[in-house]
Amino acid sequence: DVKVTQSSRYLVKRTGEKVFLECVQDMDHENMFWYRQDPGLGLRLIYFSYDVKMKEKGDIPEGYSVSREKKERFSLILESASTNQTSMYLCASSFRAGQPQHFGDGTRLSIL
Amino acid sequence: GQNIDQPTEMTATEGAIVQINCTYQTSGFNGLFWYQQHAGEAPTFLSYNVLDGLEEKGRFSSFLSRSKGYSYLLLKELQMKDSASYLCAAINRSGGSYIPTFGRGTSLIVHP
Repeated sequence: DVKVTQSSRYLVKRTGEKVFLECVQDMDHENMFWYRQDPGLGLRLIYFSYDVKMKEKGDIPEGYSVSREKKERFSLILESASTNQTSMYLCASSFRAGQPQHFGDGTRLSIL
Repeated sequence: GQNIDQPTEMTATEGAIVQINCTYQTSGFNGLFWYQQHAGEAPTFLSYNVLDGLEEKGRFSSFLSRSKGYSYLLLKELQMKDSASYLCAAINRSGGSYIPTFGRGTSLIVHP
């Protein structure tokens, strides 16, 4: 069974800090995604990657960056955290483009 | 841009049948997914339609009409554990990328 692991379930950081959210998948999937989920807004795509060292912007990339140095790991970086980045962050992976995604359990991030 | 619409909330009775609709307006449409998300948990894949017609999987079925930009998820013999949020997601092909866009989710409440 596919396992997508996010490094933290809950995280509290301060405004202005640089924040790293880590995601690892164990099924050799090509594609990885980062979303944020907010009440009433649903899942919104921040960034995705279809290959190592490759990244593409999603719908809301501002204030975020990503890194994919290895196939199994996709990191989301908040360059300078702000309170409006308080949210649930979900990582997902899929074997190939356009195939069903497997989600991690999410990281609930609070920026104070 | 991409636009996915689904009802915010629905209620139904245990043992009944419920249909959750999803309409989409997208360019480069390449398939539609349904996911289930229980409160506090990650979304899990339910079904995928790329061609017109009905896909059946036990108590759950999903239908797609590409010409109408319309899909529905049908849940039969409802159980209390089916109370969850149901997410509709359209996959759009843009260049070489397959980009998922999620609706805001339909919260289904099943009561005795």
